[in-house]
Amino acid sequence: GAVVSQHPSWVICKSGTSVKIECRSLDFQATTMFWYRQFPKQSLMLMATSNEGSKATYEQGVEKDKFLINHASLTLSTLTVTSAHPEDSSFYICSAKRGGSTSDGYTFGSGTRLTVV
Amino acid sequence: DQQVKQNSPSLSVQEGRISILNCDYTNSMFDYFLWYKKYPAEGPTFLISISSIKDKNEDGRFTVFLNKSAKHLSLHIVPSQPGDSAVYFCAAPSNQGGKLIFGQGTELSVKP
Repeated sequence: GAVVSQHPSWVICKSGTSVKIECRSLDFQATTMFWYRQFPKQSLMLMATSNEGSKATYEQGVEKDKFLINHASLTLSTLTVTSAHPEDSSFYICSAKRGGSTSDGYTFGSGTRLTVV
Repeated sequence: DQQVKQNSPSLSVQEGRISILNCDYTNSMFDYFLWYKKYPAEGPTFLISISSIKDKNEDGRFTVFLNKSAKHLSLHIVPSQPGDSAVYFCAAPSNQGGKLIFGQGTELSVKP
């Protein structure tokens, strides 16, 4: 089955530093990848949609200069949290969509717990 | 505008009984709906889906029912098992780029 690998699974960083999270589709080419953020006891909030070779589309209220998304290949998308602050601490999840969408065409990574101290 | 809603944040069921998780939506243009299961600190895993042209889809212990006139779908788990304890999300792909729109989730607890 389709597998999406997300790394790291957890990271602790100091305020003001940047953190990069990787999302790789291991056995399929992902035309589109999505980045979500989840706060405790809340739903998954879509941050942005990235398409290979083009700029990401950010949801309203998401700072594109703070959350840099790069989708350089059909198997890799990265999310960089720049100048991280404690309020950026959250659980970040990526999802990859296979081309020719089917009802089960979305595969999620295992998530990254970011803690900014 | 919350297009997909799960109004019950939690549900507790006895092992062996039926669990019914509910989901409402407002956009009649959704082509299909998906249910995901999620454990803490993990990504969601796909459980079952239903096309908008169907009213029922069954897979083992899991059945999803769709009532288009009421814009309502439900996930039935029977018999419920302690390992089913997790947060369940319903979701639908938007017509804009196919992004998934999630409900708020329902935390299911199955007691032995």
